Amino acid sequence: QQQVKQSPQSLIVQKGGIPIINCAYENTAFDYFPWYQQFPGKGPALLIAIRPDVSEKKEGRFTISFNKSAKQFSLHIMDSQPGDSATYFCAAQRVSGNTPLVFGKGTRLSVIA
Amino acid sequence: KAGVTQTPRYLIKTRGQQVTLSCSPISGHRSVSWYQQTPGQGLQFLFEYFSETQRNKGNFPGRFSGRQFSNSRSEMNVSTLELGDSALYLCASSPAPSGGVRGTQYFGPGTRLTVL
Repeated sequence: QQQVKQSPQSLIVQKGGIPIINCAYENTAFDYFPWYQQFPGKGPALLIAIRPDVSEKKEGRFTISFNKSAKQFSLHIMDSQPGDSATYFCAAQRVSGNTPLVFGKGTRLSVIA
Repeated sequence: KAGVTQTPRYLIKTRGQQVTLSCSPISGHRSVSWYQQTPGQGLQFLFEYFSETQRNKGNFPGRFSGRQFSNSRSEMNVSTLELGDSALYLCASSPAPSGGVRGTQYFGPGTRLTVL
C-alpha cells in the first residue's frame, strides 16, 4: 500500500516555466510534509517543508501548496532554471508519533534552456 | 560541520555474499535512519537507530540488519545477497528520533551496491 502517491514521474519544462509536482497522501495522522531535492550522485536534501495548519509556504522560488481536505500537496518552482534539474521527492511523516518519513516515488525534472 | 558520510561509496558483490555498509552521522546527531533507493520503488525505509536502540523498522526481510555504536556511527548488514538487493543505500541523521519536532533529516551520499 503506497501511502504517498507522487506525480508526474518525469517532467520537462522550458527555462522560466513553472513546473508543478503533485502528491497525495492517505494517512490523516501525518503532520509534516517535506520536499527533498536530489542531484545525481548525491543524497536527497531538504528543500522546503510544511505543516498541515497552513495552506501555503514560500521559500525563494519554491512554494508548497497544501490542501488538507483533499489530502494533497504540491511543489511549484517559479522561474525554473537548468540548475533546478534534479529528482524531487515529496514525503510525509507523523512527527508527533516519531514515525519514519514515507516518500513518494520521485519526479525527475529537466529544465531546458 | 561535516555532513553525513557513508563508506564505501560503491560496492560490487555476488549473490549469496554478505555486505556491511557504514554511516557516520553529523556530529552531535544521535539518530541514524537507513533507506533503500531503487528506480522502481523510490526511497523505502529500512530502520532507525537512536542511542544504540532500534526504534523503527520497515518492511524488509530479516537478511537486513543494523546496529549503532556508542559514538552514533551505524552499520547496516545484508546477508545472503540477492540480485534484487542492488540499490543505493542511504543513511540520514538527525539530532532527535525520526527528525524530532522539526522533522529534519540530513542524508549522506549513499552507497551504491551492485549484486551480480
